[in-house]
Amino acid sequence: SQTIHQWPATLVQPVGSPLSLECTVEGTSNPNLYWYRQAAGRGLQLLFYSVGIGQISSEVPQNLSASRPQDRQFILSSKKLLLSDSGFYLCAWSLFMNIQYFGAGTRLSVL
Amino acid sequence: AQKITQTQPGMFVQEKEAVTLDCTYDTSDPSYGLFWYKQPSSGEMIFLIYQGSYDQQNATEGRYSLNFQKARKSANLVISASQLGDSAMYFCAKRGSQGNLIFGKGTKLSVKP
Repeated sequence: SQTIHQWPATLVQPVGSPLSLECTVEGTSNPNLYWYRQAAGRGLQLLFYSVGIGQISSEVPQNLSASRPQDRQFILSSKKLLLSDSGFYLCAWSLFMNIQYFGAGTRLSVL
Repeated sequence: AQKITQTQPGMFVQEKEAVTLDCTYDTSDPSYGLFWYKQPSSGEMIFLIYQGSYDQQNATEGRYSLNFQKARKSANLVISASQLGDSAMYFCAKRGSQGNLIFGKGTKLSVKP
């Protein structure tokens, strides 16, 4: 069966520090991968999606970036965090345009 | 622009009763998919049920069913025999053009014993 792992679960970072969140999927090949952000009490906003290795599409201009170095690995990064980057980050996978399955999420607090 | 509207910020239901969570959507796509997810306090988004726009019957998954009214562009989630563990945020979503999900703002369901 397929599983998705996302870490860390919680992160507290100072403003201006770098960020790296990792997501890996097991049990499937060539998944579509997604990064979403959820502000407190709100729905999810798509940040990045990827349909293959090295293929990244960005939905929201910001100081975040994403990379897909391996088929089942998706990384969200920032060189310098802003206060506004605080939120709940969720990684998801799907096969083609089918149901998306989410990781457990990372709560990021930028102080 | 595609938009998902959930007009109920919060709902209360008595344990063992049924509850309906509302969802309406905007779209000009001839074919589309609609989803419901549950988000407990832990934060993980849990897939509940899917409805395709060309599906002839309303989707059902255990205690969850989807009341799909295409002409009215509504896709309400019905939870039968509510349980305490059903207390959570519920999000309606529609598949976007990139395969991503476009979410509503959610409904917080509280099940009372």
